[in-house]
Amino acid sequence: AQTVTQSQPEMSVQEAETVTLSCTYDTSESDYYLFWYKQPPSRQMILVIRQEAYKQQNATENRFSVNFQKAAKSFSLKISDSQLGDAAMYFCAYRSASNTGKLIFGQGTTLQVKP
Amino acid sequence: DAGVIQSPRHEVTEMGQEVTLRCKPISGHNSLFWYRQTMMRGLELLIYFNNNVPIDDSGMPEDRFSAKMPNASFSTLKIQPSEPRDSAVYFCASSQNRVRETQYFGPGTRLLVL
Repeated sequence: AQTVTQSQPEMSVQEAETVTLSCTYDTSESDYYLFWYKQPPSRQMILVIRQEAYKQQNATENRFSVNFQKAAKSFSLKISDSQLGDAAMYFCAYRSASNTGKLIFGQGTTLQVKP
Repeated sequence: DAGVIQSPRHEVTEMGQEVTLRCKPISGHNSLFWYRQTMMRGLELLIYFNNNVPIDDSGMPEDRFSAKMPNASFSTLKIQPSEPRDSAVYFCASSQNRVRETQYFGPGTRLLVL
C-alpha cells in the first residue's frame, strides 16, 4: 500500500523569505501523480501544484515550486517570497495512475508566516 | 465557473439522528469523491463514484454510512444513526477523469454530533 509522510508538523518563515516543506512517499508503482494542497483556516482544500511522475521537469506555479526526486521518493514544496496569505496547513498527496484515482494524504504541515 | 458546492456548511445534531450531506460537483466532471477529515485519522477517502456508479466504498466506516449519486450533478452522504465519533469535516471532490485529472474540493461540511 502506498503511504505519504510529512515529517514536519509545523514550520515557520519570515515574510518575504523562502521555506521548503518536506514530503516522502512509498510506492512500488512507476506511474503516479503527486500534489500539494493548501488548507487555510476556512478549511477549503486548494490545489497548489501538481507533478506527474513521468515528467522529469519539476513543476512550478508562480512562487511555488517542487523538488521531485523520483528515485528517493521525495517531493518537497518550496515557497518563495512568502506572504501572510500563505499561512495554512499544507498536505502532500499521492495518486496512482493505474486504479481508482484515490488520493492518499500525508499528515499535513502547518505553516506560520511571521510579519 | 462554479466550484464544487456542498451543503450544509455546518451541521450540529444529536446522537441517533439522521444526517444528510449534499454535494454538487463541477459541471462536466464525471468522477466524484467523498473524503472525511479528523484529527486522529487525517484525510481519508470514504467512497467514490464514476459516471454516477459507486466504484469503491471500502472506506465507508460501517453500515451507518451510505452514499448515492442519482445523477451527474448531485450526490448525498447519509449517516443514520449518527454518533459522536462521526464528528468531522466531510469533503466532496470532483474531477473530469477518475485518474488523470486533478480533484477539486468543495468547502466541506463541518459536522458535530453531540
